[in-house]
Amino acid sequence: QKEVEQNSGPLSVPEGAIASLNCTYSDRGSQSFFWYRQYSGKSPELIMFIYSNGDKEDGRFTAQLNKASQYVSLLIRDSQPSDSATYLCAVYPSGFNKFYFGSGTKLNVKP
Amino acid sequence: DTAVSQTPKYLVTQMGNDKSIKCEQNLGHDTMYWYKQDSKKFLKIMFSYNNKELIINETVPNRFSPKSPDKAHLNLHINSLELGDSAVYFCASSPGSSGGSEQYFGPGTRLTVT
Repeated sequence: QKEVEQNSGPLSVPEGAIASLNCTYSDRGSQSFFWYRQYSGKSPELIMFIYSNGDKEDGRFTAQLNKASQYVSLLIRDSQPSDSATYLCAVYPSGFNKFYFGSGTKLNVKP
Repeated sequence: DTAVSQTPKYLVTQMGNDKSIKCEQNLGHDTMYWYKQDSKKFLKIMFSYNNKELIINETVPNRFSPKSPDKAHLNLHINSLELGDSAVYFCASSPGSSGGSEQYFGPGTRLTVT
């Protein structure tokens, strides 16, 4: 079983703060890592993907990957109430031809 | 100009019935997927197709049968529906044939079996 683990939350942060979402994975051979946002009743929407160790920034979002620690995170700067959603981490282990999703972290951004 | 579309959006049916869900993508992607999302929001892959060929067939009851008439379409037929089949079913597509690239999801089909 290729596990992807996330804290289910809810993670509550005040508006304007930095939200930090974390994900750990079990397969050391994993190649690709993705963050999706899912609003209640809607489909997952791609936010970012990262393939290499280090940070990748896109607007208010930063993905961080540490393959040695098998850890990927998503930072959301200047959090807005519209960021309130469930964030899904997805991992693509090599040789399995499929993605494994975590169960998601629910983020609440309070005005 | 919808990228990945699914029909129907809602499906309410009785146990024992047979139903189909259709998916189409206009992104020109090679790979399409079916996922099931349960009440705890856990997304689990069921099937994937690459250019009409079945690539992944998870341990899904054989009452579920996918069909890909061309690389832009992936349908899901479910026979003898059971209460436990109630969930949201998402279709997704991704570019490339080797996998590992980003996926784009359809709006989902909420299936309720009574």
